[in-house]
Amino acid sequence: EPEVTQTPSHQVTQMGQEVILRCVPISNHLYFYWYRQILGQKVEFLVSFYNNEISEKSEIFDDQFSVERPDGSNFTLKIRSTKLEDSAMYFCASRMTGRTDTQYFGPGTRLTVL
Amino acid sequence: GENVEQHPSTLSVQEGDSAVIKCTYSDSASNYFPWYKQELGKRPQLIIDIRSNVGEKKDQRIAVTLNKTAKHFSLHITETQPEDSAVYFCAAQGWGGADGLTFGKGTHLIIQP
Repeated sequence: EPEVTQTPSHQVTQMGQEVILRCVPISNHLYFYWYRQILGQKVEFLVSFYNNEISEKSEIFDDQFSVERPDGSNFTLKIRSTKLEDSAMYFCASRMTGRTDTQYFGPGTRLTVL
Repeated sequence: GENVEQHPSTLSVQEGDSAVIKCTYSDSASNYFPWYKQELGKRPQLIIDIRSNVGEKKDQRIAVTLNKTAKHFSLHITETQPEDSAVYFCAAQGWGGADGLTFGKGTHLIIQP
């Protein structure tokens, strides 16, 4: 069964550095998402992406964040200048179509900002 | 925006007993309610979902009920087994509003042998 994949599994960075988290959504899916989960807390929506543009973003998704689909398969989340509070697990998700279709989550990237 | 409350935060049941986790939501326009199971260090995995045109859905030992009037939905697991131990998250998605899922805070289900 196709799965969402993410790289790297763990990223350690210094405060103020830029990081790029990568995701490969399921191939025939059209909607892409980023979520984050701070350790021990709930999963929080960051941004959704459809037809090569952001369709919605949460309050968390400020100017430090950006997303891109640089080619037909990858979907990236960039954090320009990381802060300590950006330390979290970042999940990518995708769904085929239809607002009530299942969102499939990737395995996550654990980001640690020192 | 949508707000989802989930209770209890921790639930410990004897193996073989039933477990019930409850969630409430605030946005009456929400119409899709998935439940995800997350084992330690792993991705959330969808275990069951329900859409607002249905009041109940069952899949083997797992069932979900939805009360749109009261804006609450519940997960029922019967004949619990050790492998059911995990954190369970409910979520809600609106129709005309948010595209992303709004999650509850999670329930840590512990199955006692």
